[in-house]
Amino acid sequence: AQSVSQHNHHVILSEAASLELGCNYSYGGTVNLFWYVQYPGQHLQLLLKYFSGDPLVKGIKGFEAEFIKSKFSFNLRKPSVQWSDTAEYFCAAFLSGGYNKLIFGAGTRLAVHP
Amino acid sequence: DTAVSQTPKYLVTQMGNDKSIKCEQNLGHDTMYWYKQDSKKFLKIMFSYNNKELIINETVPNRFSPKSPDKAHLNLHINSLELGDSAVYFCASKGAGRETEAFFGQGTRLTVV
Repeated sequence: AQSVSQHNHHVILSEAASLELGCNYSYGGTVNLFWYVQYPGQHLQLLLKYFSGDPLVKGIKGFEAEFIKSKFSFNLRKPSVQWSDTAEYFCAAFLSGGYNKLIFGAGTRLAVHP
Repeated sequence: DTAVSQTPKYLVTQMGNDKSIKCEQNLGHDTMYWYKQDSKKFLKIMFSYNNKELIINETVPNRFSPKSPDKAHLNLHINSLELGDSAVYFCASKGAGRETEAFFGQGTRLTVV
């Protein structure tokens, strides 16, 4: 079955620490990958996206992600987090090839302490 | 202008009632979705419509009935509300083709008491 897995459910960091959130997907066809962020009480906003080409993609607010096809992974990174990065982070995959379905991982709650 | 707007933002209602949530997008997108976000923040796809036609129904109870009067609107009607329906419901829209992103509404927090 198609799925998106996020390995870290809850991450606690101090400001200036580096961040890496894991994401793996399970789908044999063409997939587009996304990371969305949800700040407390708000809707989902796009951080970055991968469609094709350079597997290292840069997004807003200093976030980046790397698509590794052989590992079915799309991990999110940020070299130095800020308190304002405290939020819920969702990895998502759009499955084409007849499915046309956008599915999400379970989310990772990031808490950044000053 | 809000790209994807949902109303109402909050909805508190008693068990057994029928309620509707409205969603409108002004992005000219062909595809619209409804997602349910539970208390653990898990986002589960419920429905997907493409140009007013239902293309995905993820084994949602038939008490939930989406309606798309035109491709800019996808409303969600829920009959006989149950306590387990309490959640935040998000509407989203997406452009044609696979290399486009989805835009989300602000969410509707439904509380069934």
